[in-house]
Amino acid sequence: DQQVKQNSPSLSVQEGRISILNCDYTNSMFDYFLWYKKYPAEGPTFLISISSIKDKNEDGRFTVFLNKSAKHLSLHIVPSQPGDSAVYFCAASKDSNYQLIWGAGTKLIIKP
Amino acid sequence: NAGVMQNPRHLVRRRGQEARLRCSPMKGHSHVYWYRQLPEEGLKFMVYLQKENIIDESGMPKERFSAEFPKEGPSILRIQQVVRGDSAAYFCASSPSQTYEQYFGPGTRLTVT
Repeated sequence: DQQVKQNSPSLSVQEGRISILNCDYTNSMFDYFLWYKKYPAEGPTFLISISSIKDKNEDGRFTVFLNKSAKHLSLHIVPSQPGDSAVYFCAASKDSNYQLIWGAGTKLIIKP
Repeated sequence: NAGVMQNPRHLVRRRGQEARLRCSPMKGHSHVYWYRQLPEEGLKFMVYLQKENIIDESGMPKERFSAEFPKEGPSILRIQQVVRGDSAAYFCASSPSQTYEQYFGPGTRLTVT
């Protein structure tokens, strides 16, 4: 039972354009969502998060949007840069619990 | 200011052997979490420990797997009598308190031959 889904295994975007990564969830009890970025042979690093009481959070080039009615969130990166090429994971927490439920990840490739 | 450290980075074991994975949390962090990532999948929670205590091992297989976080030294994830299905990347994370805001180590890639 996959509670957090990232349906696109990979995404290719031209440098300078907007990258949009999507994440769907099934459990309406999730109240906190996080995005992690992972380079090969490294651990995930925290990127940005959003509480379920908000619908948008912005940090520099990164913005996360949350649509609770659709149980959908997205990460926007603009403008995309070559260093953004990595695997992006969406993760969710229930009751602000330490147990993170992870999606399978989306590999983002930024083309020069 | 070292981050979370894990060793070894790569570990090869034959079926039936034991695997020991080590995790040193960030300085000042006393909470440790272990996750497993199978190929093409997301990370799966295994166990949450504080110093000398297992707080939550609900994600850990009942047999062959154990974890500890002694008063001194790193946290250790131990897998006895490894099987091919144990081949995965094992990530450790730490935090200063019980929270979803966790800092991850580089992982240990276990290969069982």
